[in-house]
Amino acid sequence: GQQVMQIPQYQHVQEGEDFTTYCNSSTTLSNIQWYKQRPGGHPVFLIQLVKSGEVKKQKRLTFQFGEAKKNSSLHITATQTTDVGTYFCAPSGGYQKVTFGIGTKLQVIP
Amino acid sequence: EPEVTQTPSHQVTQMGQEVILRCVPISNHLYFYWYRQILGQKVEFLVSFYNNEISEKSEIFDDQFSVERPDGSNFTLKIRSTKLEDSAMYFCASSRGGLLQPQHFGDGTRLSIL
Repeated sequence: GQQVMQIPQYQHVQEGEDFTTYCNSSTTLSNIQWYKQRPGGHPVFLIQLVKSGEVKKQKRLTFQFGEAKKNSSLHITATQTTDVGTYFCAPSGGYQKVTFGIGTKLQVIP
Repeated sequence: EPEVTQTPSHQVTQMGQEVILRCVPISNHLYFYWYRQILGQKVEFLVSFYNNEISEKSEIFDDQFSVERPDGSNFTLKIRSTKLEDSAMYFCASSRGGLLQPQHFGDGTRLSIL
């Protein structure tokens, strides 16, 4: 499967601060999915991006897909303690396997 | 909202014993998956299943592993002779299939091999 690099690996933020994680691929992606895994929990699908330059919002979360479809980002505005967890970007989807990387582990300090 | 359900939530088994992990995928889904996550590590793909046969499997999914859809609702993962290194959280997932459909994960079964 296609491989993506995600940075940073860890991020500690004060509650109320913003947070961004970046996903980069050396090849053009057909689409990218984002998942979140809370500590001790299971991966939960957040969103899928398909179109070049696409931007999607879910409340305080903003997802972007680059114009060249080689990178993606997740930005959280004004983090809350409920945002704690590991965020994964993963190419492809549908009937194909999800290839999870290490993800970005977010810790929010109250 | 429909969910993927897994049983048991925790399974403790002696090394060398057989274990069966059970999953009930979402009812109108067509594609089924098993993943595992060793404590502190990333989620790893094991196998995907469609139309009553394996569509893809990883290197982890060796001859000790098998999957089955014994009826219209259950999807099982069997480990024939468990090893200490099989201790992990095992997640079942299902999907309607198609490029834009996400995978839905169950809560997982924590397998502990003694």
